Amino acid sequence: AQSVTQLGSHVSVSEGALVLLRCNYSSSVPPYLFWYVQYPNQGLQLLLKYTSAATLVKGINGFEAEFKKSETSFHLTKPSAHMSDAAEYFCAVTAHAGGFKTIFGAGTRLFVKA
Amino acid sequence: EPEVTQTPSHQVTQMGQEVILRCVPISNHLYFYWYRQILGQKVEFLVSFYNNEISEKSEIFDDQFSVERPDGSNFTLKIRSTKLEDSAMYFCASSADGNYGYTFGSGTRLTVV
Repeated sequence: AQSVTQLGSHVSVSEGALVLLRCNYSSSVPPYLFWYVQYPNQGLQLLLKYTSAATLVKGINGFEAEFKKSETSFHLTKPSAHMSDAAEYFCAVTAHAGGFKTIFGAGTRLFVKA
Repeated sequence: EPEVTQTPSHQVTQMGQEVILRCVPISNHLYFYWYRQILGQKVEFLVSFYNNEISEKSEIFDDQFSVERPDGSNFTLKIRSTKLEDSAMYFCASSADGNYGYTFGSGTRLTVV
């Protein structure tokens, strides 16, 4: 079975500062890992995905994440926060071996201060 | 860009009534999912559907819930007798291959009164 833990339910950064949202996973088989973003009153939008190719994955809106197997982590970063980045971010995992469901973390709400 | 469409966007129903939430997945996708999100809480897996049958379901997806793909384009979630605790945002998602990320709809907010 797989699971995801997101460290920090709320993260606050200043505009222009580094964004770091933490995610650790557990999976008995090689995982596929994802970050999704949810803006208020909207559905989830896929930011980026790790599917066993390059360990550093680049996504939309300047976000990237690095898969570290030794740390079972998949942290999301962005060098410079923008006001429009304020949203809820979800880390998610799917079991590589024919998994039919994706499990989501509890989410981290990102606040960006002017 | 292809979208997953969900209707209605908001539904209010009385406790004990049946509701059907509708979704139109992306046309060439083969895997379909329902998730729910109770206000302020995490996104919870309900069910996955592939090859015209349920692939996997969670413990939330009890006998009150059912899914159907009636006509090759729609994918529906039925709740037979709604309870107050069924109030949540319900998201439909589809995927081409099941493992490379989903496309989510904008959700249906279900309010049971």
